[in-house]
Amino acid sequence: DGGITQSPKYLFRKEGQNVTLSCEQNLNHDAMYWYRQDPGQGLRLIYYSQIVNDFQKGDIAEGYSVSREKKESFPLTVTSAQKNPTAFYLCASTPGQGLNYGYTFGSGTRLTVV
Amino acid sequence: AQKITQTQPGMFVQEKEAVTLDCTYDTSDQSYGLFWYKQPSSGEMIFLIYQGSYDEQNATEGRYSLNFQKARKSANLVISASQLGDSAMYFCAMSCYTGGFKTIFGAGTRLFVKA
Repeated sequence: DGGITQSPKYLFRKEGQNVTLSCEQNLNHDAMYWYRQDPGQGLRLIYYSQIVNDFQKGDIAEGYSVSREKKESFPLTVTSAQKNPTAFYLCASTPGQGLNYGYTFGSGTRLTVV
Repeated sequence: AQKITQTQPGMFVQEKEAVTLDCTYDTSDQSYGLFWYKQPSSGEMIFLIYQGSYDEQNATEGRYSLNFQKARKSANLVISASQLGDSAMYFCAMSCYTGGFKTIFGAGTRLFVKA
């Protein structure tokens, strides 16, 4: 079955450590996205990519970095510059970019700073 | 500025009854899309229904329907014949084009279905 796989499901980060969240899709979608979800809030866009080797900052990109070397993969690195990284992270994809494309989401990664 | 407002933090509904989850939006764009997503306790967001700004008929998908009132800028989700498995967070979202395609999410409504 086609879908998005995020790993790990739970991740613990020490202060000053970089961590990478994995996102892989087999839907042949061109566009991929990373969202952050905090309790009581909606989703906020971190980064998105419309095509391989290209990506753009979203609303809260500071302290995060991404790469898109393959169509299927869009990993997110949470760097030590991100001062409050504890949150639930969701990866999503769409066939392309348009007003009528609904997202397909992965099952998420819950990141906790210890 | 574009904005989505969901004013109901939590809702209760009796099993087998219908429930309406409210969503209002704000945009000056003529073309936009409206979506509803379901997030069970497992965390994965599930696409439920879509309504385009030019669609004259309300969208329906099984037990889900979107009550689109353009003049009021509202896009309420109606779930008919509620089931225990409908207990989840529900998010309203709007896609628009402002220097690039963008999707904005509301804060969500938690629905509890009582047996």
